[in-house]
Amino acid sequence: QVQLVESGGGVVQPGGSLRLSCAASGFTFSSYGMHWVRQAPGKGLEWVAFIRYDGSNKYYADSVKGRFTISRDNSKNTLYLQMNSLRAEDTAVYYCAKGRIAVAGPDYWGQGTLVTVSS
Amino acid sequence: AIQMTQSPSSLSASVGDRVTITCRASQGIRNDLGWYQQKPGKAPKLLIYAASSLQSGVPSRFSGSGSGTDFTLTISSLQPEDFATYYCLQDYNYPPAFGQGTKVEIK
Repeated sequence: QVQLVESGGGVVQPGGSLRLSCAASGFTFSSYGMHWVRQAPGKGLEWVAFIRYDGSNKYYADSVKGRFTISRDNSKNTLYLQMNSLRAEDTAVYYCAKGRIAVAGPDYWGQGTLVTVSS
Repeated sequence: AIQMTQSPSSLSASVGDRVTITCRASQGIRNDLGWYQQKPGKAPKLLIYAASSLQSGVPSRFSGSGSGTDFTLTISSLQPEDFATYYCLQDYNYPPAFGQGTKVEIK
C-alpha cells in the first residue's frame, strides 16, 4: 500500500532554513508527480508546491515562491522541500502527497511534519 | 489564480441526515475538482476526484456532482464516522486551490 513518511520538521528561528524529506513506498515513485501541502494551526489546507514525475517542471504557491524549492531523488524514492528565509507565517504541518495522475491533485497523503518558526 | 468558495463553513446534522456541501470556482474548471475529508490530527483523505468519481474504498453514500463552476458533495445518510471537515480542491490549473473547508458537526 502507498506509504509516505515525512521528516525534518522542527523549531527554527525566523530567517532560518529547514529541509523536509518524504520517503515513499508502495508505488512506483518515479512515475508520479508529488505535492507539498501545508496547514497552519487551526486553519485550512494550503497547497505549497508540485514537481512532475521526472522533475522537469515545478510549481509553487506565490506565498513561498523564491524561498522554497521542491526536488526529488527517484533513485531514493524521496521527495524534498528546501525552505529558506522562513517566516512566522510558515508555521504549519507540512504534508507530502502523491499526485493522482499527471499534474492532478493529490490522492494519498503522509501524516505530516510540524514546522514551527519562532524566536 | 482561481478562487474556490465553499459553503457552508460549518453545519450541524444528525446521524442519517442527507448533507450537501457546495464549492464554486471563480472561473470554469471543467470537472477538475476533488473532495477531501479530514479528521482532527489526521491527514486528508481523497473521497471524490474528477468531480464525480468515487475514490477506491470510499463508501457509496458519498457522491459528487457538477462541472464548470458549481460543484456539490453529498453524503446520502450521515454516519458517526463522517463527522469531519471537508475540503474541495481545483486541479484544473496551477496553482491548485482549496476551498475554505466545511466542518460537519453532530447536532
